[in-house]
Amino acid sequence: SQQGEEDPQALSIQEGENATMNCSYKTSINNLQWYRQNSGRGLVHLILIRSNEREKHSGRLRVTLDTSKKSSSLLITASRAADTASYFCATVSPSGSRLTFGEGTQLTVNP
Amino acid sequence: DVKVTQSSRYLVKRTGEKVFLECVQDMDHENMFWYRQDPGLGLRLIYFSYDVKMKEKGDIPEGYSVSREKKERFSLILESASTNQTSMYLCASRPAGVETQYFGPGTRLLVL
Repeated sequence: SQQGEEDPQALSIQEGENATMNCSYKTSINNLQWYRQNSGRGLVHLILIRSNEREKHSGRLRVTLDTSKKSSSLLITASRAADTASYFCATVSPSGSRLTFGEGTQLTVNP
Repeated sequence: DVKVTQSSRYLVKRTGEKVFLECVQDMDHENMFWYRQDPGLGLRLIYFSYDVKMKEKGDIPEGYSVSREKKERFSLILESASTNQTSMYLCASRPAGVETQYFGPGTRLLVL
């Protein structure tokens, strides 16, 4: 079953704008990860946030985690056309190491 | 750099054929995974393996089997391909104790 649900399903913005994607999940987690997938390619890991962390940064990426609301958000600042891709959240339960993926957000950054 | 390779980028097979999808990783990772990806459904785990000759069912194992005879190679087998197995298949690996996965480029399978 799919643990994560991304919102929105699709997002279109102009270069230079910020992009925010949200992920909600249903059960307790050990950590939550964000992956990126360019069209027709494999996924690439972007960032991992643990259940005891609230915010994490990596370059232009900022991830927040609210375990009380069972939600996370991924912010990409100053977006570029090259950021155009699908973005997936994936959760790991406290008892296991399997990733459970959401359905993804398709981000289009227009030049 | 970790490299995960998959034997084919595109594959066209007939209904009823036996299909082998191969995945090889070059970083001595213990864990390997097979997913399928379909529009609106995200990635779903088919099978995974945490060691040579070991396998565990994922969320949708029906119609599939796997083989892991060597640590670097994890094969997904469709015993008798059906049209509802048309999909994008993604292989991933990760070392023990590490929580992030490394993905191959994917195989887009079309079953006619």
